[in-house]
Amino acid sequence: EAGVVQSPRYKIIEKKQPVAFWCNPISGHNTLYWYLQNLGQGPELLIRYENEEAVDDSQLPKDRFSAERLKGVDSTLKIQPAELGDSAVYLCASSKGVVTDTQYFGPGTRLTVL
Amino acid sequence: EDQVTQSPEALRLQEGESSSLNCSYTVSGLRGLFWYRQDPGKGPEFLFTLYSAGEEKEKERLKATLTKKESFLHITAPKPEDSATYLCAVQAPNDYKLSFGAGTTVTVRA
Repeated sequence: EAGVVQSPRYKIIEKKQPVAFWCNPISGHNTLYWYLQNLGQGPELLIRYENEEAVDDSQLPKDRFSAERLKGVDSTLKIQPAELGDSAVYLCASSKGVVTDTQYFGPGTRLTVL
Repeated sequence: EDQVTQSPEALRLQEGESSSLNCSYTVSGLRGLFWYRQDPGKGPEFLFTLYSAGEEKEKERLKATLTKKESFLHITAPKPEDSATYLCAVQAPNDYKLSFGAGTTVTVRA
């Protein structure tokens, strides 16, 4: 069974430029999560989708971050414009359901903002 | 607010030298405690879920245990391939969110 797929794996951009990350969850997983992981820290949740609905985006900085999950499968996370402090690893995870279901993570996208 | 503290931050072991990692948590009730392994440049890989005090789970050289306030990950006779960062996360009742600790980086020398 294929795992969570993310692309690109690495991205280097200048500050103020836009950037987008893509995630394809494990087949049959209805719940999709985007996490941010800073160096030396554990992941922190940005947004959670149940099917195509964003059921919790309370931790998403909405002034510059946006996300979508059209058709309830793939998802895209966008930053516009990027700031120096956005440099981090962006992880996507998926699970069959929500509570107590194991979350499986993708390899992440490492973003560097210059 | 749920808090998860992992110790030590880093652990250097000789091959075959058993040791334990600690994860202490403050959460009102506990729906589940999760252990993940993360290799450099990769996403966290699921290891175990523990649900109640006294529960234990094993996988190869790893054994996870749970009390009401903390969890331990025991590494028995580690090998160099056990080198990684081990992350602990908790899930509160009626909540989907995983609150992660900062991790323990384990280095096993041959």
